[in-house]
Amino acid sequence: AQSVTQPDIHITVSEGASLELRCNYSYGATPYLFWYVQSPGQGLQLLLKYFSGDTLVQGIKGFEAEFKRSQSSFNLRKPSVHWSDAAEYFCAVGAMGGTSYGKLTFGQGTILTVHP
Amino acid sequence: NAGVTQTPKFQVLKTGQSMTLQCAQDMNHNSMYWYRQDPGMGLRLIYYSASEGTTDKGEVPNGYNVSRLNKREFSLRLESAAPSQTSVYFCAVHRAGTGGAGANVLTFGAGSRLTVL
Repeated sequence: AQSVTQPDIHITVSEGASLELRCNYSYGATPYLFWYVQSPGQGLQLLLKYFSGDTLVQGIKGFEAEFKRSQSSFNLRKPSVHWSDAAEYFCAVGAMGGTSYGKLTFGQGTILTVHP
Repeated sequence: NAGVTQTPKFQVLKTGQSMTLQCAQDMNHNSMYWYRQDPGMGLRLIYYSASEGTTDKGEVPNGYNVSRLNKREFSLRLESAAPSQTSVYFCAVHRAGTGGAGANVLTFGAGSRLTVL
């Protein structure tokens, strides 16, 4: 069975500081990995995805993530955080093929607070 | 959340009452999903539908039923609500494809917040 762990429940950073959110996954085959962001009272918005190829993927809003198979990790990074980045972030893993693409296993989420 | 509409946005029920959450999409995608979100647990899959007329159980289907009568709509029904079903429910649609930023990803609705007293 697949699983995702986000070790940090809550992270606080200052505006302009760099950010790294951790994600570790467990999956028997090649994983499809995603990062979603959720603002309060909103649905989830896709930040980026990894299916294959280059292990460093770029997403929207200046985010990037690096897939490291040897560490079973897919950490999300941003060089300089803006106050509008305050939200909850979810890492998710899925499988290939048909409806499996949408049958995601999500991590517990990391709440990001940004201090001015 | 453009393209995926959920109703109602908020609902309060008493234990034992029934209700249906509605989800409609205008994206013309085949696959639709219902997830629930609980604090500290992320999102968990309740049911999904690969196409009109087909449905399958996800990770946490107990206490729920679903209906996919047409391509646009996928409803989630609670026959006898329980406090454990207090949650935020998200409908999502999956765009199949071989490439592009939007291929093989889920697009989520804005959510329906349900409280069962």
